[in-house]
Amino acid sequence: DVKVTQSSRYLVKRTGEKVFLECVQDMDHENMFWYRQDPGLGLRLIYFSYDVKMKEKGDIPEGYSVSREKKERFSLILESASTNQTSMYLCAIQGQTTTYFGPGTRLTVT
Amino acid sequence: GENVEQHPSTLSVQEGDSAVIKCTYSDSASNYFPWYKQELGKRPQLIIDIRSNVGEKKDQRIAVTLNKTAKHFSLHITETQPEDSAVYFCAASTHGGSGYALNFGKGTSLLVTP
Repeated sequence: DVKVTQSSRYLVKRTGEKVFLECVQDMDHENMFWYRQDPGLGLRLIYFSYDVKMKEKGDIPEGYSVSREKKERFSLILESASTNQTSMYLCAIQGQTTTYFGPGTRLTVT
Repeated sequence: GENVEQHPSTLSVQEGDSAVIKCTYSDSASNYFPWYKQELGKRPQLIIDIRSNVGEKKDQRIAVTLNKTAKHFSLHITETQPEDSAVYFCAASTHGGSGYALNFGKGTSLLVTP
């Protein structure tokens, strides 16, 4: 069974704080993704990575950065959190073809 | 980039009826089309997928059809049950879905009433 875990299910942060969201997989897959999910907007791609130390911008990278120092771990960083970044964040990994999602982190920025 | 449109945004059916969700895509190079189901409070999970070399695929009560010429694909659920109630997302990708991110539609909230 594919296992994708995220560091927190719920997170509350203040405006301006630096926020780290962590994603860990146990399947040795190269491809990892960060999506953001908002009602009525579906799943939007923030960043993705094909290998260690490699990263590519998705459709909405503004205000975010990522880090992939080890193959199993992909971190999403909010340099200075803002209220419009309140959302559900979903990490995903890609097998041969199937994309598997983590449980999600619901982030609230106040 | 790829643009995936999904309709309807909400769908309510009675138990036992059929439900159809439709998606269109813009990139003619897309060749992999998965469908995800997301129950309340849970992560999206793959329920069925289709590749561009086939026109239809079926798995028990769910089926997906693909029209490459018109660039649209549809999810069909027959004999719906209350446990089918969820948000459904379509997606499209190139290169068979390997190594490239999925582009998602905005989702359809399906409600099956007993």
